[in-house]
Amino acid sequence: DTAVSQTPKYLVTQMGNDKSIKCEQNLGHDTMYWYKQDSKKFLKIMFSYNNKELIINETVPNRFSPKSPDKAHLNLHINSLELGDSAVYFCASSQAKTGRNTEAFFGQGTRLTVV
Amino acid sequence: DAKTTQPNSMESNEEEPVHLPCNHSTISGTDYIHWYRQLPSQGPEYVIHGLTSNVNNRMASLAIAEDRKSSTLILHRATLRDAAVYYCILLDGSSNTGKLIFGQGTTLQVKP
Repeated sequence: DTAVSQTPKYLVTQMGNDKSIKCEQNLGHDTMYWYKQDSKKFLKIMFSYNNKELIINETVPNRFSPKSPDKAHLNLHINSLELGDSAVYFCASSQAKTGRNTEAFFGQGTRLTVV
Repeated sequence: DAKTTQPNSMESNEEEPVHLPCNHSTISGTDYIHWYRQLPSQGPEYVIHGLTSNVNNRMASLAIAEDRKSSTLILHRATLRDAAVYYCILLDGSSNTGKLIFGQGTTLQVKP
């Protein structure tokens, strides 16, 4: 069983389109994240949800909208895609607790290419 | 957010130990030291974490300096599968967000 799974694995789309990436975790964690890895391989956090509540929003353009229907799912919807959105997007989950920060589990990534 | 400094790259021979250093001179008392690695074309993977004492698990050991301003990830016998980017990250233990701030990491090459 895959702990954190995201779909699709690859996504090629034209500029201006709207697309979604889905993420599911079966670990029972309360917190989920979206990270972006750009062409220079820098990994940066975008969003985090804890029990369906947004707790981190790292100055991401509002074309990006995360949605968490329940604590096991965190989807990422992107409107009006731009060339600069091309990257690998990773979903992750953890059971972050104050004073006892535990490990995060990452999905395999979604490689988004905007043409 | 506290920062870490790592060498950009290191090389090792297969089946030899590898010591990956990390400096974190501005670490605060509540910061945990976490290590993750990213194998080619995969998501980051947790390796180990610690606060003050040295830690061992099935993947690696973590040696933390007495003043906590540096740490070393030790792979006891490197295999080809250990070739990856290794990230040293400080995680604020007083926060419950679990937010990971990745630096450039150390790219480890393992030679047969």
